[in-house]
Amino acid sequence: AQKITQTQPGMFVQEKEAVTLDCTYDTSDPSYGLFWYKQPSSGEMIFLIYQGSYDQQNATEGRYSLNFQKARKSANLVISASQLGDSAMYFCAMRGPVGVSQGGSEKLVFGKGTKLTVNP
Amino acid sequence: GAVVSQHPSWVICKSGTSVKIECRSLDFQATTMFWYRQFPKQSLMLMATSNEGSKATYEQGVEKDKFLINHASLTLSTLTVTSAHPEDSSFYICSAPLWVDEQFFGPGTRLTVL
Repeated sequence: AQKITQTQPGMFVQEKEAVTLDCTYDTSDPSYGLFWYKQPSSGEMIFLIYQGSYDQQNATEGRYSLNFQKARKSANLVISASQLGDSAMYFCAMRGPVGVSQGGSEKLVFGKGTKLTVNP
Repeated sequence: GAVVSQHPSWVICKSGTSVKIECRSLDFQATTMFWYRQFPKQSLMLMATSNEGSKATYEQGVEKDKFLINHASLTLSTLTVTSAHPEDSSFYICSAPLWVDEQFFGPGTRLTVL
């Protein structure tokens, strides 16, 4: 079974500084995908970044980068130059292997989330 | 990115009534959609996988007779909470995968059962 662990219930960071949100995962499948989503107080889930298990390089999207350490089964999110608008819940999620029938591979398993607060 | 809509965004109903929530992919076709439930200050828990043209697949512990799912077309899935009770009050959110590396969520529906 797949499992995502986020050990930081809450994190604080000063505006303009970088912050790392931790995520470790467990799976027996060689093929998988890792997502990070941001959930502000409005409740919408905003996609941030994706890392495939076979991707050679760490994913980056603007101020977001994913520190993917496959051997350690970790996929930490790094937010550079934090902004006040970054304050939100952040969820790490895992997708199963591609090719499994009936969309079962695409369902996401979520971690418990980390609440990030950016201080001015 | 692709857009997924949900309707209604919030609903209040009396105990014992049924509530239907719609999830639409606005600019792409989705043969599969997912329904999640999120209680306050908790993570998203997958309830079921909605499959166009076939029955939904429910996660363990989710009552299929209580949470009816119909994938009516390639752009629409509905979740009906039947005989709702206060413990069903929650945030319900759907998602639709576009590619293996893209899965888009609707804005969610906040259900309150009185």
